[in-house]
Amino acid sequence: QKEVEQNSGPLSVPEGAIASLNCTYSDRGSQSFFWYRQYSGKSPELIMFIYSNGDKEDGRFTAQLNKASQYVSLLIRDSQPSDSATYLCAVSDPKTSYDKVIFGPGTSLSVIP
Amino acid sequence: EAGVVQSPRYKIIEKKQPVAFWCNPISGHNTLYWYLQNLGQGPELLIRYENEEAVDDSQLPKDRFSAERLKGVDSTLKIQPAELGDSAVYLCASSRDSGNTIYFGEGSWLTVV
Repeated sequence: QKEVEQNSGPLSVPEGAIASLNCTYSDRGSQSFFWYRQYSGKSPELIMFIYSNGDKEDGRFTAQLNKASQYVSLLIRDSQPSDSATYLCAVSDPKTSYDKVIFGPGTSLSVIP
Repeated sequence: EAGVVQSPRYKIIEKKQPVAFWCNPISGHNTLYWYLQNLGQGPELLIRYENEEAVDDSQLPKDRFSAERLKGVDSTLKIQPAELGDSAVYLCASSRDSGNTIYFGEGSWLTVV
């Protein structure tokens, strides 16, 4: 089982809809969870991080964490064409003595005007 | 504040040739990372520096890859000799300290022919 799994997509949503991106992780001891956005040909950019169970909202973005189910998601409300990108889920590795993060393969999101 | 700077942005070399990538992290960032990103995959850590010390190089293929961070600032990543399978994007990143937000450079795109 891969340590961090995401559906590769592409996920297509119409403009204005809610995009839901999902991520599962294998190590129950992971404590920190991150969402990065990567535009085509560009570098990853951190958009959200979450440490506690529940929801964390930042503008149109909401990160949801359920440690019991080993599941973290990212919701994008009122999706815009500029949200079209690959979204990388990253999870801290509890087996390391520092906050090493392991990235998932990413989900490609396409917002259709 | 200037971001993480990498060069060259693009490099095409023949197999068995050497190649080197350079990275200048954000000023004041003690932690520097080199990641490898293959098409359709998330970044994978190659090596992590705390100041000038390589504290995690467990994923660096040491038979052909080497890295250094002299004086705890700039870093270089070298491949010698390059193989076809080394074609990928090499991302440099930095953070103020371990556990803080990771900022990525634009990446060095390597094609080995």
